Amino acid sequence: DAKTTQPPSMDCAEGRAANLPCNHSTISGNEYVYWYRQIHSQGPQYIIHGLKNNETNEMASLIITEDRKSSTLILPHATLRDTAVYYCIVESVGGSNYKLTFGKGTLLTVNP
Amino acid sequence: GAGVSQTPSNKVTEKGKYVELRCDPISGHTALYWYRQSLGQGPEFLIYFQGTGAADDSGLPNDRFFAVRPEGSVSTLKIQRTERGDSAVYLCASSLSLPNEQFFGPGTRLTVL
Repeated sequence: DAKTTQPPSMDCAEGRAANLPCNHSTISGNEYVYWYRQIHSQGPQYIIHGLKNNETNEMASLIITEDRKSSTLILPHATLRDTAVYYCIVESVGGSNYKLTFGKGTLLTVNP
Repeated sequence: GAGVSQTPSNKVTEKGKYVELRCDPISGHTALYWYRQSLGQGPEFLIYFQGTGAADDSGLPNDRFFAVRPEGSVSTLKIQRTERGDSAVYLCASSLSLPNEQFFGPGTRLTVL
């Protein structure tokens, strides 16, 4: 079972920041928060991951609350090409763990 | 560089037939994964290879499904006696050092009539 809760859909205006929330209230200390996205008819694409500190890369920023029970993925300047399903995934890393458990994700629609 | 490739991109078959789906991972990636995605759902794990061996096949739905990776690179997912419920997009992914930073292929859309 997925360990995260996400809104089924969100809208964002082109050029504005898109803030996608994720609730993971049962996260444990060794579990990371991963974000993937899936553009229509393509395979999922890795975006970013973090443990407890905020993270930023060329695609997005990840803000994790201090208690780690929720996080927000931020796309700073959304474009039409960012329209996709965004998956928030909580998994431990290394050892015997290797598989991703996807939920239904959030369909982000970026409007012109 | 080249990403994960999957062939064919689409496969239409009849109920009861045998199908093979191929995955070419990123060169040098030792880990390879198969997932299945039904309409409106997120991908669902099927099987994981580390090198040539199937480290975990617990996600395979039944014994009609089998996968191989004989030389530790290309993998083939084989489905016997296909059923209409097998219709889905079959995704392959590979990874290098971090097990959860997976690179996905475009998928094979399987339709069983």
